[in-house]
Amino acid sequence: NAGVMQNPRHLVRRRGQEARLRCSPMKGHSHVYWYRQLPEEGLKFMVYLQKENIIDESGMPKERFSAEFPKEGPSILRIQQVVRGDSAAYFCASSPGQGYQPQHFGDGTRLSIL
Amino acid sequence: GENVEQHPSTLSVQEGDSAVIKCTYSDSASNYFPWYKQELGKRPQLIIDIRSNVGEKKDQRIAVTLNKTAKHFSLHITETQPEDSAVYFCAASINSGYSTLTFGKGTMLLVSP
Repeated sequence: NAGVMQNPRHLVRRRGQEARLRCSPMKGHSHVYWYRQLPEEGLKFMVYLQKENIIDESGMPKERFSAEFPKEGPSILRIQQVVRGDSAAYFCASSPGQGYQPQHFGDGTRLSIL
Repeated sequence: GENVEQHPSTLSVQEGDSAVIKCTYSDSASNYFPWYKQELGKRPQLIIDIRSNVGEKKDQRIAVTLNKTAKHFSLHITETQPEDSAVYFCAASINSGYSTLTFGKGTMLLVSP
């Protein structure tokens, strides 16, 4: 039973390029959460999505960042015109539904900006 | 919004000792408190969680206690082993139909043989 799958594991981009991070939730999970982790810091919530809906994007920077979770396929976190400060580990988590459902995390994507 | 403080930032113990990590939260509406263990370069893994209607929960060598009045909760690990060495994160959630988590900054636990 595969867990939360994220790809790529490592991504290197030059300043100004676009970064696309993918997340496939666990089987049977319809809720996806994206978190960002800076070095030696905790995880910070970015966005919460259900299929075809953004439920809460209060943690997303207002510019350059967007997320989607289409009816078919993985959730995508997209960062346009990347800057050095975007370098971080980006983790995706999924849960089966609302309420007291534990979130299970993927292995993360480590984004490095040159 | 919610703010979670976690202490200590680093903790060194000898194998077999107990370890205690403490967290405080700011929003009295928070009602779900998970703990995650993250080894270097790996994913955070849920090790135990507690809901606000419970004061304590145990799972073998791990226990979590919650004091809603004081708005703090703690992780207790007994008979520590070297493989317990990792970064531990506490988190809090206001369950308004979903469970976005606010995390503490983490505690690096080092268990020496």
